[in-house]
Amino acid sequence: AQSVTQPDIHITVSEGASLELRCNYSYGATPYLFWYVQSPGQGLQLLLKYFSGDTLVQGIKGFEAEFKRSQSSFNLRKPSVHWSDAAEYFCAVGAALTYKYIFGTGTRLKVLA
Amino acid sequence: EAGVVQSPRYKIIEKKQPVAFWCNPISGHNTLYWYRQNLGQGPELLIRYENEEAVDDSQLPKDRFSAERLKGVDSTLKIQPAELGDSAVYLCASSYHSRDRDYGYTFGSGTRLTVV
Repeated sequence: AQSVTQPDIHITVSEGASLELRCNYSYGATPYLFWYVQSPGQGLQLLLKYFSGDTLVQGIKGFEAEFKRSQSSFNLRKPSVHWSDAAEYFCAVGAALTYKYIFGTGTRLKVLA
Repeated sequence: EAGVVQSPRYKIIEKKQPVAFWCNPISGHNTLYWYRQNLGQGPELLIRYENEEAVDDSQLPKDRFSAERLKGVDSTLKIQPAELGDSAVYLCASSYHSRDRDYGYTFGSGTRLTVV
């Protein structure tokens, strides 16, 4: 069965510091992988997605993620965090062409000025 | 392009009362989803529509929840009667996919339901 694990419930970084949010998945075949961001009281916004091809994926707002099949991971990174990045981040996995995604429990990011 | 529109944004009801949520997906999107997000959790799928057909409702508590998607466009999700444990954010999402391509979801802002 598909599953997604986000090991870090909360992460705090200083503004300008680098960021890495971890995501591990369990799936037998090649998964579709996504990162979404949710600001308080808002819906989820797609940051980036991986379907196939280049394992380093660029997204919006300066985020990137790297698909590592050997580690079953799809970690989200940003070289320099801005205060506006404070939000909750969700990793999701979907089976190819099933159009059904499983979401992780989220990582809440706090940014210190 | 307008995004996925949901209403109402907030709803407070007493337990045992009925409640309904409405969703207008992005024009041209053939797939519509209802998700429930409990506090501190990720979204969980309730039901998925392909056009007007419910193709995955395995997670929908059918004793009290119902959904419809008229003419393959707008959708409503209903709870009757509501229970305290139904307090959550109800998210609607839509997507377009072809036979060999999945473009990912677009989510609405959600409806925050509080049952007292």
